[in-house]
Amino acid sequence: GEDVEQSLFLSVREGDSSVINCTYTDSSSTYLYWYKQEPGAGLQLLTYIFSNMDMKQDQRLTVLLNKKDKHLSLRIADTQTGDSAIYFCAGPFSGGYNKLIFGAGTRLAVHP
Amino acid sequence: NAGVTQTPKFQVLKTGQSMTLQCAQDMNHEYMSWYRQDPGMGLRLIHYSVGAGITDQGEVPNGYNVSRSTTEDFPLRLLSAAPSQTSVYFCASSYSQGKGANVLTFGAGSRLTVL
Repeated sequence: GEDVEQSLFLSVREGDSSVINCTYTDSSSTYLYWYKQEPGAGLQLLTYIFSNMDMKQDQRLTVLLNKKDKHLSLRIADTQTGDSAIYFCAGPFSGGYNKLIFGAGTRLAVHP
Repeated sequence: NAGVTQTPKFQVLKTGQSMTLQCAQDMNHEYMSWYRQDPGMGLRLIHYSVGAGITDQGEVPNGYNVSRSTTEDFPLRLLSAAPSQTSVYFCASSYSQGKGANVLTFGAGSRLTVL
């Protein structure tokens, strides 16, 4: 079945760049998403990318998509302590765009 | 604008008890879904709905029932709670933004403990 995989932890120094990686199996994925979850809260959309794009940039965030390798990454430039959170990548479940399957989430810890 | 409202925020049940987690949205979104979040496993889709009167199963539907009698409400029912259903439950709603984009708005979550 469909699967979305992420590494579970990432620790970076404040001011450095963070790169969170994700791999997916569903070849029919049209949109792929990044969500952020802060402690004790629900998920909020960070950004998303359409499958005909290789890259999308939004202020400090850069999303890279390699369709051949089914690999998605999120780069956060100049990482701040406020970026400490869990980051989830997500894609369509069973090719149905109206329901999403999520990875396990990457916990980003930013230290001084 | 309340967005997606879930109640209760916390609940403790005994094995075998039943309960309903409530979810309401005021954005007139077509799609609604329920996820559970467990440590190291991310979010797993339980059930979803593409409109009033239409529901379908997700990845982990066993032990849960849903119904969608109105656009606004999408309750999740546990008929006979089991300790394996201890989790944090999230309700989400969305609408099609064209070209297949589907941006979810999540509720704040309901933490359920089954003893």
